[in-house]
Amino acid sequence: QAGLTQPPSVSKGLRQTATLTCTGNSNNVGNQGAGWLQQHQGHPPKLLSDRNNNRPSGISERFSASRSGNTASLTITGLQPEDEADYYCSAWDSSLRDVVFGGGTKLTVL
Amino acid sequence: QLQLQESGPGLVKPSETLSLTCTVSGASISSSNYFWGWLRQPPGKGLEWIGSFSYSGSTNYKPSLKSRVTISVDTSKNQFSLRLISLTAADTAVYYCARASEFAYWGQGTLVIVSS
Repeated sequence: QAGLTQPPSVSKGLRQTATLTCTGNSNNVGNQGAGWLQQHQGHPPKLLSDRNNNRPSGISERFSASRSGNTASLTITGLQPEDEADYYCSAWDSSLRDVVFGGGTKLTVL
Repeated sequence: QLQLQESGPGLVKPSETLSLTCTVSGASISSSNYFWGWLRQPPGKGLEWIGSFSYSGSTNYKPSLKSRVTISVDTSKNQFSLRLISLTAADTAVYYCARASEFAYWGQGTLVIVSS
């Protein structure tokens, strides 16, 4: 079972903005920050943002991450068909001594 | 360009031991200060971290798997390996190796089915 809480699904229209959330606690997201991964069916995950909300080289500026308290968010602007994928957040939990993941959010672009 | 590639058996019998190897190219495991590790994803489900190590000597395992997991490294081949004992059907998953510092680089994954 997931350590972090993500909504199972989000649906938005083409060129709209989607905001995905990831809720943890003070031992993980609130203290360590959260990273975001994108996964298309049949492919390995791809890092979109690290725990300090930095985008790796090559990741579109349409993806931006932020954190408020124990909740991390990933905002995707100008949604494109290729953004349809599963999105996972992850964080180090200093109490559990474990890397915890969210259960993933399936983003549908209508 | 950093690349990782998993290798190992695709089918393992229950109660047996899984051994997987990750070959790293484009960077040296021993000369960098990154964490490297293993994750898995059961079919149709989410991601699960198994464990990570850094060449400086720090190794961490998922607490619920710690009694069954060993990660080892062969610097001469620039490889690291996963050993998971006492397999059950619940261990059926796609296994990924990754540069575990921020999970910035991943292998393509290898499907392991636990079945008699």
